[in-house]
Amino acid sequence: AQSVTQLDSQVPVFEEAPVELRCNYSSSVSVYLFWYVQYPNQGLQLLLKYLSGSTLVKGINGFEAEFNKSQTSFHLRKPSVHISDTAEYFCAVSEKGAQKLVFGQGTRLTINP
Amino acid sequence: EAGVAQSPRYKIIEKRQSVAFWCNPISGHATLYWYQQILGQGPKLLIQFQNNGVVDDSQLPKDRFSAERLKGVDSTLKIQPAKLEDSAVYLCASSLGREYNEQFFGPGTRLTVL
Repeated sequence: AQSVTQLDSQVPVFEEAPVELRCNYSSSVSVYLFWYVQYPNQGLQLLLKYLSGSTLVKGINGFEAEFNKSQTSFHLRKPSVHISDTAEYFCAVSEKGAQKLVFGQGTRLTINP
Repeated sequence: EAGVAQSPRYKIIEKRQSVAFWCNPISGHATLYWYQQILGQGPKLLIQFQNNGVVDDSQLPKDRFSAERLKGVDSTLKIQPAKLEDSAVYLCASSLGREYNEQFFGPGTRLTVL
């Protein structure tokens, strides 16, 4: 069975600073990887996904993530954050051949002015 | 395109009472999911429907939770009787149903059991 570990429960950063949210996964088969964002009192919204091909994936709102198979990681990055990026971020994995998503426990990103 | 609709948005009940949540997926989406999100945790899949058939309900506490998707469109999730540990946000999501299709999430129903 697959699992996801988000290494930081909270990440505080200053506005316009770069940020990295870390995600490691475990699976015995090939996987698809996702990052979702959840704003307060809202559902989850897809930021980006890795299915195959280039290991650097670009998503919405200036976010990008890099798939590293050898380290089983899929870290999310943004070079310059804004106050509006304050939210909860979830990493998720899906085994190829299945439609089921397994989520990490989330990372709360707080942007300080 | 309308998103996934859920109601109610908030519900407060006493333990041992019953409660039902409703979800209307995006039109044309074959697959519907119900997730439970406990405060401070990621969403956990409770049940997955493909059209009106159940694909995965391995993590659904079947002694108290039930779900149905009549006619392969709307879905209802019921808890009877509720326990304190059922306090959570219940998220509904839908997708086209192919292997790596994006899941679109509704706003959720926040349940508080007193």
